[in-house]
Amino acid sequence: GAGVSQSPRYKVAKRGQDVALRCDPISGHVSLFWYQQALGQGPEFLTYFQNEAQLDKSGLPSDRFFAERPEGSVSTLKIQRTQQEDSAVYLCASSLQGAQKETQYFGPGTRLLVL
Amino acid sequence: GDSVTQMEGPVTLSEEAFLTINCTYTATGYPSLFWYVQYPGEGLQLLLKATKADDKGSNKGFEATYRKETTSFHLEKGSVQVSDSAVYFCALNYGNNRLAFGKGNQVVVIP
Repeated sequence: GAGVSQSPRYKVAKRGQDVALRCDPISGHVSLFWYQQALGQGPEFLTYFQNEAQLDKSGLPSDRFFAERPEGSVSTLKIQRTQQEDSAVYLCASSLQGAQKETQYFGPGTRLLVL
Repeated sequence: GDSVTQMEGPVTLSEEAFLTINCTYTATGYPSLFWYVQYPGEGLQLLLKATKADDKGSNKGFEATYRKETTSFHLEKGSVQVSDSAVYFCALNYGNNRLAFGKGNQVVVIP
């Protein structure tokens, strides 16, 4: 079946622009996660949804970052007034229920470059 | 807080050599442990996992054993191939629905 898809795959933004990154999870997966991966580092947790409810947003680095999943499937990560330090790969993952033992399935990521 | 530590630096080895990548963790309770792999130009994919102490995860010739006494989950493969060249990440899930990743190790296998 189809895996997790993300769009766009690459995004170049000028400093101060707003960007929106989209994630389509695996069909039927209740849980959805966003991670940020800086160059040469492991992914860092940003936020987590169970269906449409955002249960944990403790990893969002500032109030310029906002995520939503209004119908419990597709999710959008929005970054307002982008800064150079926001340049990274943004990864989306989904899992069936979100349990500790479950595998999280990752999308290919969106590479964001802020100039 | 709960975290994962991977050995520093890239790993370069010859084809058919033995591979070990060290991973240790710090966690309260009993996390689930994972190895993810990122091949060039591709996304992260699960390589193997173990969800309780003494469990051994295995896949594609790779193995890792969940050692609670040493808080470790070292990845091993007996005979690597050029196609194993990738970045390998150790991760744990400590029950609050997030994965905590190590920094990753780049593995380069030379023919």
